[in-house]
Amino acid sequence: GAVVSQHPSRVICKSGTSVKIECRSLDFQATTMFWYRQFPKQSLMLMATSNEGSKATYEQGVEKDKFLINHASLTLSTLTVTSAHPEDSSFYICSALKTGTGDPYEQYFGPGTRLTVT
Amino acid sequence: GEDVEQSLFLSVREGDSSVINCTYTDSSSTYLYWYKQEPGAGLQLLTYIFSNMDMKQDQRLTVLLNKKDKHLSLRIADTQTGDSAIYFCAERRGGSYIPTFGRGTSLIVHP
Repeated sequence: GAVVSQHPSRVICKSGTSVKIECRSLDFQATTMFWYRQFPKQSLMLMATSNEGSKATYEQGVEKDKFLINHASLTLSTLTVTSAHPEDSSFYICSALKTGTGDPYEQYFGPGTRLTVT
Repeated sequence: GEDVEQSLFLSVREGDSSVINCTYTDSSSTYLYWYKQEPGAGLQLLTYIFSNMDMKQDQRLTVLLNKKDKHLSLRIADTQTGDSAIYFCAERRGGSYIPTFGRGTSLIVHP
């Protein structure tokens, strides 16, 4: 199998504080992970591609200084929302790319983290 | 318009078949996917189809691809209440890791 976990599953924080979300691939190594944001009744919006040992690649319009991504090991990527504001409240989903199996390059998704900023 | 389009809602009776439709615009799409998202959870890959295939069947799921019309459908036979979820269509070009997702179709199964 291929299991991806996220922690925490739900977090409520005060405006102005920072929150760290962890994404782990539990039974495979992932050199590439992705961070998505999902708004109610909308599709997933890719925020950034996280590569182990190098800087993340951010999509256009995503503030890299606000959404800090660190991919320090082959099984862990973290997303830190800095100085959170209510408009950052959302459902954040990570995925990990399992390579070596040939196409179609399976992405395995975590269960998501619900962030609420008060 | 959006690159991948889906209707937002579908309601079916338990035991009936469900058909969820999707259209895409990129003619170079190589892989097409269907993902399922249950409430408060991440996405689960249900099935995928290569662009050189017309049909793929996996138990209760049948995927049909009309490449000429860039139309993809997912048929769920004998729909159960446990099938209630959001279903995302996605397409990806060969050589790219990143699929483009539709907005998802919310399937509601009622008794």
